[in-house]
Amino acid sequence: AAGVIQSPRHLIKEKRETATLKCYPIPRHDTVYWYQQGPGQDPQFLISFYEKMQSDKGSIPDRFSAQQFSDYHSELNMSSLELGDSALYFCAGRENTEAFFGQGTRLTVV
Amino acid sequence: GIQVEQSPPDLILQEGANSTLRCNFSDSVNNLQWFHQNPWGQLINLFYIPSGTKQNGRLSATTVATERYSLLYISSSQTTDSGVYFCAVYGNNRLAFGKGNQVVVIP
Repeated sequence: AAGVIQSPRHLIKEKRETATLKCYPIPRHDTVYWYQQGPGQDPQFLISFYEKMQSDKGSIPDRFSAQQFSDYHSELNMSSLELGDSALYFCAGRENTEAFFGQGTRLTVV
Repeated sequence: GIQVEQSPPDLILQEGANSTLRCNFSDSVNNLQWFHQNPWGQLINLFYIPSGTKQNGRLSATTVATERYSLLYISSSQTTDSGVYFCAVYGNNRLAFGKGNQVVVIP
């Protein structure tokens, strides 16, 4: 398995706080994706980066932003957190059109 | 965007039984993957199968790209097979997921 690492694994934040989720793909991954999965839902696409440039944007709130750095790790920044942002957040790296997902970050907003 | 439909949405199996999960998609794709989401939430890659048939132990998958569907077969199911099975297809620069098949295997 091509190991995508995410941190932290769990995060608890209060409403209106900010959160930063991190993703570490492996060097072979040319594309990084972020997905949000609410309870009982399928993963929803947020944003992607190809070679460190934003390549596509999905249903990502304006309160969220993301970037990919020179070392290829990516961060998802979430501000003014709302209760509805509580979800599992996945990062995935793509290698030859196959996607490999990290373990996810479970964000709970209280 | 590409629509992905999975059936059945829920399935209860007796341990040892076989089952077939189906994924229909609305447009031609150059990638299709099956994932298993375990009770801890982790998405495990099962198959990368844009076309043809693959087997991995008790699991196998077949994709007929020209007819826009894929099947995942679980044979001799075990309790560890419980979880949600997702089909995802790559189109418009992203992976689009189906709603999943919730599988419960009872001893």
